[in-house]
Amino acid sequence: GIQVEQSPPDLILQEGANSTLRCNFSDSVNNLQWFHQNPWGQLINLFYIPSGTKQNGRLSATTVATERYSLLYISSSQTTDSGVYFCAPGQAGTALIFGKGTTLSVSS
Amino acid sequence: GAVVSQHPSWVICKSGTSVKIECRSLDFQATTMFWYRQFPKQSLMLMATSNEGSKATYEQGVEKDKFLINHASLTLSTLTVTSAHPEDSSFYICSARGANAEAFFGQGTRLTVV
Repeated sequence: GIQVEQSPPDLILQEGANSTLRCNFSDSVNNLQWFHQNPWGQLINLFYIPSGTKQNGRLSATTVATERYSLLYISSSQTTDSGVYFCAPGQAGTALIFGKGTTLSVSS
Repeated sequence: GAVVSQHPSWVICKSGTSVKIECRSLDFQATTMFWYRQFPKQSLMLMATSNEGSKATYEQGVEKDKFLINHASLTLSTLTVTSAHPEDSSFYICSARGANAEAFFGQGTRLTVV
């Protein structure tokens, strides 16, 4: 099955800083999503991005499917950005496979 | 985006009893739903794929007799943890794909077996 590696595992930032989270995956995929898991466990959809680049406010993501990686950019981080960020690629019709996540802590 | 609703959000049960968790797609039909399990500070691990009108497909190492999955309609899948024991305590979360293949997740169910 697909192997997913996320880096860094932990990230500590001051409010206002920028960051880049990386996701490498082992096989070709038709689907890739980024999620933010809040303290109550809810997975918040950030991006559905099997390829290309998307932006949503202070967040943007890029997936280079041919090179099997995706990046999540967070600019001007805020304390509310704290939490765990998961990358989850998958193939058509099958379940998403989750990486181990990046735990982000933003302090004021 | 599409809405997936999971119930209950949390449940405490006695060892040896069974617990049913429901997962509903509220505004779309889902022929396939997925069940995951998450231990504290760990990633989500796929347990099984639930197929409407047919048997679920379980991942290696997941006991199908302990985790019964039923997908009786295009909007409802249920996971029943049978004869629950403390080691079954975990966070269970379901997902379904919307029309464009994007996956949406339920709120999750925190199960504690005492």
